[in-house]
Amino acid sequence: GAVVSQHPSRVICKSGTSVKIECRSLDFQATTMFWYRQFPKQSLMLMATSNEGSKATYEQGVEKDKFLINHASLTLSTLTVTSAHPEDSSFYICSARDALAGGPSYNEQFFGPGTRLTVL
Amino acid sequence: AQSVAQPEDQVNVAEGNPLTVKCTYSVSGNPYLFWYVQYPNRGLQFLLKYITGDNLVKGSYGFEAEFNKSQTSFHLKKPSALVSDSALYFCAVRDRVDSSYKLIFGSGTRLLVRP
Repeated sequence: GAVVSQHPSRVICKSGTSVKIECRSLDFQATTMFWYRQFPKQSLMLMATSNEGSKATYEQGVEKDKFLINHASLTLSTLTVTSAHPEDSSFYICSARDALAGGPSYNEQFFGPGTRLTVL
Repeated sequence: AQSVAQPEDQVNVAEGNPLTVKCTYSVSGNPYLFWYVQYPNRGLQFLLKYITGDNLVKGSYGFEAEFNKSQTSFHLKKPSALVSDSALYFCAVRDRVDSSYKLIFGSGTRLLVRP
């Protein structure tokens, strides 16, 4: 249980295009999902917290118009990198918080396998 | 401000020897503490967590960690390292009273186990 998937795992795009990354909780409901960015040999930087049915909360310094987040259901959040540029190239990781109250993993975060974005 | 420190960028150990990856934290109150492992081009895998109770927490793949409140540390340990343990390890904390459920990560420590 507690599996989180991301799609695609790897994407290469041209500068100026938009890229959508999906994060799905496969066997649990996640009212909250988190989007992280990781640069080579560095830690995870939290970009935003995605709440089902409401607007995402962005961390300081993260452009909300650049990184569009939609959390339309309890099992799916999407991150769209709009008008991507080479500096947006990175490894993007999502996590999902188990919302089942009383369950063994209640409030724990489970991480997706990551999406490597390369903008040419 | 809440923070997590992993003072070692890299830890080198010979296979079969014990390993320790250090983590200290600064969080108000009593935090939840976590260790995750990341293999190249992969997401994070959960190793173990401290919630309450016994200060020695046992986790996946033979790893364990000891919560030390007075030293605000949560060092990761394994009695006998394997070459396959070579990976990037992250310590993380979560404030018990933070309703955002955010995790704060350390900078990561690369573990290299040589044959």
